[in-house]
Amino acid sequence: GAVVSQHPSWVICKSGTSVKIECRSLDFQATTMFWYRQFPKQSLMLMATSNEGSKATYEQGVEKDKFLINHASLTLSTLTVTSAHPEDSSFYICSARDPSRSHNEQFFGPGTRLTVL
Amino acid sequence: AQSVTQLGSHVSVSEGALVLLRCNYSSSVPPYLFWYVQYPNQGLQLLLKYTSAATLVKGINGFEAEFKKSETSFHLTKPSAHMSDAAEYFCAVRLNAGNNRKLIWGLGTSLAVNP
Repeated sequence: GAVVSQHPSWVICKSGTSVKIECRSLDFQATTMFWYRQFPKQSLMLMATSNEGSKATYEQGVEKDKFLINHASLTLSTLTVTSAHPEDSSFYICSARDPSRSHNEQFFGPGTRLTVL
Repeated sequence: AQSVTQLGSHVSVSEGALVLLRCNYSSSVPPYLFWYVQYPNQGLQLLLKYTSAATLVKGINGFEAEFKKSETSFHLTKPSAHMSDAAEYFCAVRLNAGNNRKLIWGLGTSLAVNP
């Protein structure tokens, strides 16, 4: 099956620092990746759609300068939380779409728990 | 516009009892529908999906769901709950317009299984 990994699985940082989260498709090429944010006991909130080789499409209300997304290759997308603050603490999940599969199925990474002190 | 409603944010069943998690959708076009499960502090795992083939869809871990167009529903069921089924369950509908195929998510249902 298609596997998506995320690194790191958890990170604790000081307020004001930047944190980079990686999302990799391990055994397929993903032309499109999605970044989600999930607050405790809540549903997933789509932050942005990342297409390889082009600028990410951000959802309304998501600050593109705050959450920098780079999709430089067909197997890697990165989310950088710049100048992180405690309110950015959350569970960040990526998914990758496998265009070779029927219905362009999305596969999800295990998530990254970000805690900003 | 497409949307998903999951009735009941928390469901509690006894081990061995029937599991029924409700999902209703709205869509102006034939939808693709998904159920995902999320265990604590983990990502999401696809349980099953409806993509306009058979209306009764069987998934992993003994779960199944039936697409009922007349009721705009896609409820998830399992005949006999197991303690390991305790998790968060999300229903989603896929936006079929455009190239990105975004998923529209329900708010989730937390399933507790009591011994």
